[in-house]
Amino acid sequence: ETGVTQTPRHLVMGMTNKKSLKCEQHLGHNAMYWYKQSAKKPLELMFVYNFKEQTENNSVPSRFSPECPNSSHLFLHLHTLQPEDSALYLCASSQARAEVDTIYFGEGSWLTVV
Amino acid sequence: SQKIEQNSEALNIQEGKTATLTCNYTNYSPAYLQWYRQDPGRGPVFLLLIRENEKEKRKERLKVTFDTTLKQSLFHITASQPADSATYLCALVRDNYGQNFVFGPGTRLSVLP
Repeated sequence: ETGVTQTPRHLVMGMTNKKSLKCEQHLGHNAMYWYKQSAKKPLELMFVYNFKEQTENNSVPSRFSPECPNSSHLFLHLHTLQPEDSALYLCASSQARAEVDTIYFGEGSWLTVV
Repeated sequence: SQKIEQNSEALNIQEGKTATLTCNYTNYSPAYLQWYRQDPGRGPVFLLLIRENEKEKRKERLKVTFDTTLKQSLFHITASQPADSATYLCALVRDNYGQNFVFGPGTRLSVLP
């Protein structure tokens, strides 16, 4: 148990569907992140939220839409995805504004787009 | 351009030996560097952190070194065990507030019994 919970763990969706990934952290952290991990590729930072404000959008296509209603919750809304979007999506959190910071990951949501 | 590289995609070693993994970076000036372990299908888990003014850090069978001149970190696992088999990632932060963590591609370590 890392203190970062992601649901669902597995999701299969068609290219015309709309779905959402949910993340909740119980660590009292102020920053939350979405990363994408595809086979044989490094972790790709997608979005960063710091104190509920988006501070990083790493040129992510608009078919991925993040939402951060508070410092403990983060969503990734998905619509009209492509098969190449199939990957492991990892949510993470960190304290932020610290001299030294460590990032804590959830177990990930496996997304398959058919 | 900024890059983080890890010496090899995969490394096989015999149980009991020391595994040494390498992380090199270019065009970053990190105040600290971190190592994470990732098991298949799971999120990475933090292992160790080393600051720029530290040459070496140890935790049980793990040792990390950090050479800011060479822009390199070495990660050692001594007396390796099959349970150490996993992918190991190095990571650094892009900005002073530690919000933009960037990760290397990882080295998949297999410890053979």
